[in-house]
Amino acid sequence: AQTVTQSQPEMSVQEAETVTLSCTYDTSENNYYLFWYKQPPSRQMILVIRQEAYKQQNATENRFSVNFQKAAKSFSLKISDSQLGDTAMYFCAFMKHGSVNRDDKIIFGKGTRLHILP
Amino acid sequence: EPEVTQTPSHQVTQMGQEVILRCVPISNHLYFYWYRQILGQKVEFLVSFYNNEISEKSEIFDDQFSVERPDGSNFTLKIRSTKLEDSAMYFCASSEPRSEAFFGQGTRLTVV
Repeated sequence: AQTVTQSQPEMSVQEAETVTLSCTYDTSENNYYLFWYKQPPSRQMILVIRQEAYKQQNATENRFSVNFQKAAKSFSLKISDSQLGDTAMYFCAFMKHGSVNRDDKIIFGKGTRLHILP
Repeated sequence: EPEVTQTPSHQVTQMGQEVILRCVPISNHLYFYWYRQILGQKVEFLVSFYNNEISEKSEIFDDQFSVERPDGSNFTLKIRSTKLEDSAMYFCASSEPRSEAFFGQGTRLTVV
């Protein structure tokens, strides 16, 4: 069974600083996806960034980037120039690469609560 | 931009009552999911649905729960005889094959 571990329950950084959220996972699969979802106080789940395991290049979306280390099963999220609106719960998530006729569920970590301080 | 829509946003119900949570997935998506998040805890998978049938369900998804796609657009989660511990945020999600899931804004269910 796949597991996702986020070892930092809560973090605080000053606005404009860079912060890195850690995530490790365990799987015997070779093909899979990794995601970071953001959950602001409104509690909606918003996709921040995705990474396909077969891609060596780390995904980047504006101020958000990942450090994907497949051998180490590590998938950290870096937020550059942090903004007050980045305050949220961040979930690391894993999904197997589904077969043709079915997809697979997303497995979430427990989340890291990130506070951006003015 | 297409989005997953859930109604109601908040539902309060008496213990023992039945509730139906509704979702309209993104129109060209083929896979549908329900997840649950008890306040302050992790997001838990309940069930996935493809080709008009359940493709996988978790141990949480017992006989109290059922899902249905009654009309080709809506996707519903029914909880029979609600319990206090069913109080949670319920998220519907949909996806294309081999792609990330897009989540609705959630329904907050409060059982009193």
